[in-house]
Amino acid sequence: DIVMTQSPATLSVSPGERATLSCRASESVSSHLAWYQRKPGQAPRLLIHGASTRATGIPARFSGSGSGTEFTLTISSLQSEDSAIYYCQQYNNWPTFGQGTKVEIK
Amino acid sequence: EVQLVESGGGLVQPGRSLRLSCAASGFIFDDYAMQWVRQVPGKGLEWVSGISWNSATTAYTDSVKGRFTISRDNAKNSLYLQMSSLRAEDAALYYCARAPYGSGSFADYWGQGTLVTVSS
Repeated sequence: DIVMTQSPATLSVSPGERATLSCRASESVSSHLAWYQRKPGQAPRLLIHGASTRATGIPARFSGSGSGTEFTLTISSLQSEDSAIYYCQQYNNWPTFGQGTKVEIK
Repeated sequence: EVQLVESGGGLVQPGRSLRLSCAASGFIFDDYAMQWVRQVPGKGLEWVSGISWNSATTAYTDSVKGRFTISRDNAKNSLYLQMSSLRAEDAALYYCARAPYGSGSFADYWGQGTLVTVSS
């Protein structure tokens, strides 16, 4: 299985500041990388697929980059409603997820 | 509006069986592959199984192979997961999800989940 490793485990950011989340794959997944947002009591929400394509209805402050084994999710100007756990997922092989990064509002 | 509603979760003893269902609406069900994904409370997400639009292709994570069976009924817009020989480590919140690019792709819509508890 391809192992996905996310860092940091927790990120504390002030409103309006930039949040940068990292995801590393144990082997190349090309651009077959997705990002999800999960809030307590809610279903996961697809943010990004194909490493950099925003899903329908996702605000422009969310952006994804990277290819191969190194990926980044950037929230350009953090809003209070962005407090959540963010997961990366590779789907180059049968899907596997990272362990998540918790984003807190400072 | 795409809606996925899971049902069938509950408390079950180790070694017993349980069948999860997912009712889909708001899209053409047989245009899409579907998946089951689970999350142990407080832990990460794990892809469990996927099925192609016509049921021709199914796939499972190694830990459930031979115990779980995924199926669908396109006439009823429904997805199923038959779980047998359940173990304590199968306890989780099970999500039904739509997979727009095949049974092993990312998932663009998810249900709210149904909770499976395995305990004697």
